[in-house]
Amino acid sequence: DIQMTQSPSSLSASVGDRVTITCQASQDISNYLNWYQQKPGKAPKLLIYDASNLETGVPSRFSGSGSGTDFTFTISSLQPEDIATYYCQQYDNLPPAFGPGTKVDIK
Amino acid sequence: QVQLQESGPGLVKPSQTLSLTCTVSGGSISSGGYYWSWIRQHPGKGLEWIGYIYYSGSTYYNPSLKSRVTISVDTSKNQFSLKLSSVTAADTAVYYCARDPGGNSVVDYWGQGTLVTVSS
Repeated sequence: DIQMTQSPSSLSASVGDRVTITCQASQDISNYLNWYQQKPGKAPKLLIYDASNLETGVPSRFSGSGSGTDFTFTISSLQPEDIATYYCQQYDNLPPAFGPGTKVDIK
Repeated sequence: QVQLQESGPGLVKPSQTLSLTCTVSGGSISSGGYYWSWIRQHPGKGLEWIGYIYYSGSTYYNPSLKSRVTISVDTSKNQFSLKLSSVTAADTAVYYCARDPGGNSVVDYWGQGTLVTVSS
């Protein structure tokens, strides 16, 4: 099975800051990577698919990049409503696997 | 707008079978093109894909749970279901049903989730 890691596990940033999260796969997954946002008590929400494609309706301050084993998720200007846990997920191989998550707080 | 809603007991005794149903509205399961998934989240932890089913009945199960999982579909009721047998406390989790367009393990719609606790 493919293992996913994320760093950091949590971060605090100020409103307006640029926030970057990294995700690493245990083997090459091409660009078969999603990013989800999960707010407390809610189901995850798809933000980015195919590593860099923004899901319809998602604000453009969210972006993703990378291929192979190393990926990056960026919030260009952190907003209060972005407080959530962010998960990467590979879908190159079955079973699909999620990273452990990165919790984002406002400083 | 597609909506998914999980239903089923919130408390299951150890060694028994967990049974959940997902009712889909705003779209027909039998129209094809979508795979219908179950995903769970242990309290305070990450997400685990349990498996999925196509309207035709073809399934995929995560090997880590395969021996205990059955996913079925009832197109007449626009529902799909999860059964997980021989549960233990380690199966306590929030269970989500979800829609995967194209079977690529990319979820575009989720249910709200239902907490199932395994306890005597």
